[in-house]
Amino acid sequence: EPEVTQTPSHQVTQMGQEVILRCVPISNHLYFYWYRQILGQKVEFLVSFYNNEISEKSEIFDDQFSVERPDGSNFTLKIRSTKLEDSAMYFCAGLRGEGNYGYTFGSGTRLTVV
Amino acid sequence: ILNVEQSPQSLHVQEGDSTNFTCSFPSSNFYALHWYRWETAKSPEALFVMTLNGDEKKKGRISATLNTKEGYSYLYIKGSQPEDSATYLCAPLLSGGYNKLIFGAGTRLAVHP
Repeated sequence: EPEVTQTPSHQVTQMGQEVILRCVPISNHLYFYWYRQILGQKVEFLVSFYNNEISEKSEIFDDQFSVERPDGSNFTLKIRSTKLEDSAMYFCAGLRGEGNYGYTFGSGTRLTVV
Repeated sequence: ILNVEQSPQSLHVQEGDSTNFTCSFPSSNFYALHWYRWETAKSPEALFVMTLNGDEKKKGRISATLNTKEGYSYLYIKGSQPEDSATYLCAPLLSGGYNKLIFGAGTRLAVHP
């Protein structure tokens, strides 16, 4: 069964550094998402991406965050200047365009900002 | 802000017990309700997508019901097994958006042999 792959699985970074989290979605998915879960909290929506542009973003997704799908396959989340509170598990997810299917989630990237 | 509540927060049952938990959500602008199963160290896996009031879905020993008018869904597990141990997340999807899900905090189920 097709999978959504995320790399790296774990990243440790210094506060203020830039990080790029990478995702390879399933090829026939049309909608793409980034979610995150801070330890002990709910899974939070960050951004949705459709037709090569951001379709919706949350309040969390400020100017420090950006997403790209530069080559039609990789889907990246960039955090320009990481803060301690960005430490979380980040999930990429994809959705088919038709039918009542659930999201397919990637295995996640654990980001630790020190 | 869309408020999605799941109860209980956690549940410990013995192997063979049947169990159920609740998801409540605002009923306005409802489009669909998703249930996910999330095992430790894995990614959330879709269980059900429910859209119609009165909908019932079943997958093996797991089933779910939906009441869109009052804004709740129940997830049932019949004859729990240790491999059912996971966090069960529900997430409503509202009409008019880009299929953005808002997740509840989940119910953490532990099934003891």
